[in-house]
Amino acid sequence: EIVLTQSPGTLSLSPGERATLSCRASQSVSSSYLAWYQQKPGQAPRLLIYGASSRATGIPDRFSGSGSGTDFTLTISRLEPEDFAVYYCQQYGSSPRITFGQGTRLEIK
Amino acid sequence: QVQLVQSGAEVKKPGASVKVSCKASGYTFTSYDINWVRQATGQGLEWMGWMNPNSGNTGYAQKFQGRVTMTRNTSISTAYMELSSLRSEDTAVYYCARGGGYYYDSSGYFNYYYYYGMDVWGQGTTVTVSS
Repeated sequence: EIVLTQSPGTLSLSPGERATLSCRASQSVSSSYLAWYQQKPGQAPRLLIYGASSRATGIPDRFSGSGSGTDFTLTISRLEPEDFAVYYCQQYGSSPRITFGQGTRLEIK
Repeated sequence: QVQLVQSGAEVKKPGASVKVSCKASGYTFTSYDINWVRQATGQGLEWMGWMNPNSGNTGYAQKFQGRVTMTRNTSISTAYMELSSLRSEDTAVYYCARGGGYYYDSSGYFNYYYYYGMDVWGQGTTVTVSS
């Protein structure tokens, strides 16, 4: 089973700063099958990035994804107030088909 | 618009079963997987399983094998997730989410599967298990 470990657990930054979130897999993950989601309190998750680096429809270009193999990164170039939320990485594979990381909480400093 | 609309909140006693529905609109229901994901209060996302609405094929996370059943009614574009032998630890918000897509050629033959993430989510259904 592929385990995804996200770091840091909590990231405290100010609006305007750059955020770098990490997702490390216990085994190699196809870049085609790595996604990132944003979740705000009381809301369903929202797809941000799929295929490790492709932005989903309507996602601002301050969000970018990169990485391959076992190391993936979500970068938010300049934080806006609405970006403070919890972020999850997720992989699609064989068995189990889907696993999520434990999440990174991005909070206002 | 493309959307998934789930059934309302449920309160169940330990040992009972719950069945949550997820109605799709705005796209061809049989062309995309439906996944079920749950989230306990203050916790992360936990994937439960997937279903191909066209074939009815399913795959369940090992943790839920034997307790979860995913079905569909294509005539009303609705997917269902039933969880049995409920316990307090099953108290959570349950989400359906659209997953990978199936491309069929002009003759209706399956060509390939593609995965662009879970791009459409239901609003969530709160299931509370309490005696």
